[in-house]
Amino acid sequence: NAGVTQTPKFQVLKTGQSMTLQCAQDMNHNSMYWYRQDPGMGLRLIYYSASEGTTDKGEVPNGYNVSRLNKREFSLRLESAAPSQTSVYFCAIGHSSSYEQYFGPGTRLTVT
Amino acid sequence: GEDVEQSLFLSVREGDSSVINCTYTDSSSTYLYWYKQEPGAGLQLLTYIFSNMDMKQDQRLTVLLNKKDKHLSLRIADTQTGDSAIYFCAEMLGGYNKLIFGAGTRLAVHP
Repeated sequence: NAGVTQTPKFQVLKTGQSMTLQCAQDMNHNSMYWYRQDPGMGLRLIYYSASEGTTDKGEVPNGYNVSRLNKREFSLRLESAAPSQTSVYFCAIGHSSSYEQYFGPGTRLTVT
Repeated sequence: GEDVEQSLFLSVREGDSSVINCTYTDSSSTYLYWYKQEPGAGLQLLTYIFSNMDMKQDQRLTVLLNKKDKHLSLRIADTQTGDSAIYFCAEMLGGYNKLIFGAGTRLAVHP
């Protein structure tokens, strides 16, 4: 997980509250991704950003927004949290020339 | 369509070889990956193989790819207790390097 940091590590929200998950990298990679991991379902892509200033939807974007603030940072926002968004959220980075993706340590979110 | 399937659980004795299998459906996959996740941790990239290769070996790890059957396997030789984890197979599709993951195989290593 070296080079990719996520904050916070844990968060508990009430239904309807909002919050922003932060991801930062120091590996100078162009692409950044947000995934969610649910039991028995592997990881599913929420949003991705191929480069600074661009973002695109993944498999499960509903209920989320993202911002690629600069090359280093990619944030995920929940405007009105729902219990279905209880999950572990992973940020990943990638570089088109290497085809490798590296993951952050994750944020465990519980919505009650 | 995009779908990656793995068996959910594998139990092996310490010192034996482990073989974790994966099938995928999209023949346009460019790269296929194996990630390892230990409890409470993020995903660690173990190895990956380009779709025009049949085999890749890296120390105790051997990846076999059968493109005709869309079947990928990961063999871990001399399995140790430290190998106990969840192993995810993933395929990379199209532009911007999007990964599609399987549900993961939990490997349990017992004495």
